[in-house]
Amino acid sequence: SQELEQSPQSLIVQEGKNLTINCTSSKTLYGLYWYKQKYGEGLIFLMMLQKGGEEKSHEKITAKLDEKKQQSSLHITASQPSHAGIYLCGAEDSGYALNFGKGTSLLVTP
Amino acid sequence: GAVVSQHPSRVICKSGTSVKIECRSLDFQATTMFWYRQFPKQSLMLMATSNEGSKATYEQGVEKDKFLINHASLTLSTLTVTSAHPEDSSFYICRGIHGNTEAFFGQGTRLTVV
Repeated sequence: SQELEQSPQSLIVQEGKNLTINCTSSKTLYGLYWYKQKYGEGLIFLMMLQKGGEEKSHEKITAKLDEKKQQSSLHITASQPSHAGIYLCGAEDSGYALNFGKGTSLLVTP
Repeated sequence: GAVVSQHPSRVICKSGTSVKIECRSLDFQATTMFWYRQFPKQSLMLMATSNEGSKATYEQGVEKDKFLINHASLTLSTLTVTSAHPEDSSFYICRGIHGNTEAFFGQGTRLTVV
């Protein structure tokens, strides 16, 4: 089965700083999803990437999928307290089920 | 827009009782429903996949007799945790998909078994 490795596991950044979260797959990614979650609550869809080299942005969050389609990064510019939460990357398998990485916990300090 | 409505959002039950969680797809027909659970400080783990009108497929280590999944219609799937125990306390969330189009998560259910 496909395994997703997320790094870092947790991150504390000062408000206004930039940060990057990485997601590396053991297999080629055919659909890579980024979600944000407040623990124990529902998932907020951020972005979905499919094509090698694809890059998408929404507000201050940018996600990229590398050319080889085995790694994705999520970059937040000028972080704010509202960005705090758990960021999960998920990859679809052949049956369209999502397998998730272990998540990156982000804390933004004033 | 398309939404999966999941309820209850929170439930507390006594050990030994059963709890039913419902996921309804609104404005689309969920041909497939995925059920996940998330233990504290862990990621979401796929429990089972159900296709409308057929038996669910369970992931390794998930007891099918304990976690009963029903997907009798294209708009409703249910997960029943039978004879719940404290170790079943978790966050359960469904994800509905129609064919290979975009899928939608429910809001999740936090189950606490006391």
